[in-house]
Amino acid sequence: QKEVEQDPGPLSVPEGAIVSLNCTYSNSAFQYFMWYRQYSRKGPELLMYTYSSGNKEDGRFTAQVDKSSKYISLFIRDSQPSDSATYLCATLQGAQKLVFGQGTRLTINP
Amino acid sequence: GAVVSQHPSRVICKSGTSVKIECRSLDFQATTMFWYRQFPKQSLMLMATSNEGSKATYEQGVEKDKFLINHASLTLSTLTVTSAHPEDSSFYICSATYSGSGYEQYFGPGTRLTVT
Repeated sequence: QKEVEQDPGPLSVPEGAIVSLNCTYSNSAFQYFMWYRQYSRKGPELLMYTYSSGNKEDGRFTAQVDKSSKYISLFIRDSQPSDSATYLCATLQGAQKLVFGQGTRLTINP
Repeated sequence: GAVVSQHPSRVICKSGTSVKIECRSLDFQATTMFWYRQFPKQSLMLMATSNEGSKATYEQGVEKDKFLINHASLTLSTLTVTSAHPEDSSFYICSATYSGSGYEQYFGPGTRLTVT
């Protein structure tokens, strides 16, 4: 079993739709959870992070962690074509090691 | 701030040759640098972690004699793929942290390696 599992998609939605991206993880000891955005042929950039359970909102983006079910989510409201990218969830193992999900390729159609 | 660059962005080499990839932190001193490999439609997999002036720590299954990492200064780390083979073709990405950045890693733009 992979430590972090993510549906690779691809996911295609119309502009303005609400997007839901999800991951599951296996180790209940994980405390920090991140979402990265990666454009084609570029390195990932940190979008949001959350600690333990709960929600965190930043503009059109909301990150959610449910530790009881080991489930993490990213919601994008009012999606824009510029949001088209691959979204990777990640958890922090130990002090520095990031463990990534497979990434979900998202396309927002104008 | 916290910009990381990589060079080259793309490289094609023949099987059996070695290739070096550079990773630089442009506006900060990188206490730790990380090297990842990403195969098409797959996740980033950590290959090794390196601290300036000390030997790199490799993840299980990564051949340290094949993937040589040198972190000679606080702004430069290099990854040398020795005796490259077609199965080494991948996207190699580095990241870096600095004292005070906590868990946040700043990623470079990646290097696409193709071995023919």
